[in-house]
Amino acid sequence: DAGVIQSPRHEVTEMGQEVTLRCKPISGHDYLFWYRQTMMRGLELLIYFNNNVPIDDSGMPEDRFSAKMPNASFSTLKIQPSEPRDSAVYFCASSLKLPGVTEAFFGQGTRLTVV
Amino acid sequence: GDSVTQMEGPVTLSEEAFLTINCTYTATGYPSLFWYVQYPGEGLQLLLKATKADDKGSNKGFEATYRKETTSFHLEKGSVQVSDSAVYFCALSERSGGGADGLTFGKGTHLIIQP
Repeated sequence: DAGVIQSPRHEVTEMGQEVTLRCKPISGHDYLFWYRQTMMRGLELLIYFNNNVPIDDSGMPEDRFSAKMPNASFSTLKIQPSEPRDSAVYFCASSLKLPGVTEAFFGQGTRLTVV
Repeated sequence: GDSVTQMEGPVTLSEEAFLTINCTYTATGYPSLFWYVQYPGEGLQLLLKATKADDKGSNKGFEATYRKETTSFHLEKGSVQVSDSAVYFCALSERSGGGADGLTFGKGTHLIIQP
């Protein structure tokens, strides 16, 4: 398997524009996670899905952020409108459903810069 | 809520030195514990894990022991190499009756190994 695939790797956009980040999880994994990494706050869980259903979105910072998982092999994280403080590296991760143990496999991340 | 505390970095060592990166946690339940490593420009990779008290996780010469009495999971390596230079994240995941949850990460420790 190619692992978790994220696109684009880098995104530079102007404030106010819509940004869409994409993720393809590892085939067969039931769980998908979106994380944000910044110098100030470290790694933060934004939202996660189980079998394409959002389970916990309490980490989503504002209504400007939304995430979808229309099928088992694809998810998007959208920011509309984007702001400079959204600049960060966004990681997608997926995992199998293992009782009591979580092992997440991460993509290489999307570095977002909002100017 | 759950939290993970790591020693602040950067940690700079000479090649072949002994490494310890401290990690302590607070959790409401009985978590699984992990160390992830992030090499420059890459996503996070699982380094090792432990799922119950006194378990020792090990990989690539790194070790960490799950100490429930001190709520700690310190990472150690006997002789570091330049290629170990990376950011190391301690993380936990609460057990939850059959499913997988998101990981709670520490802020990361930047390790720099000098030749």
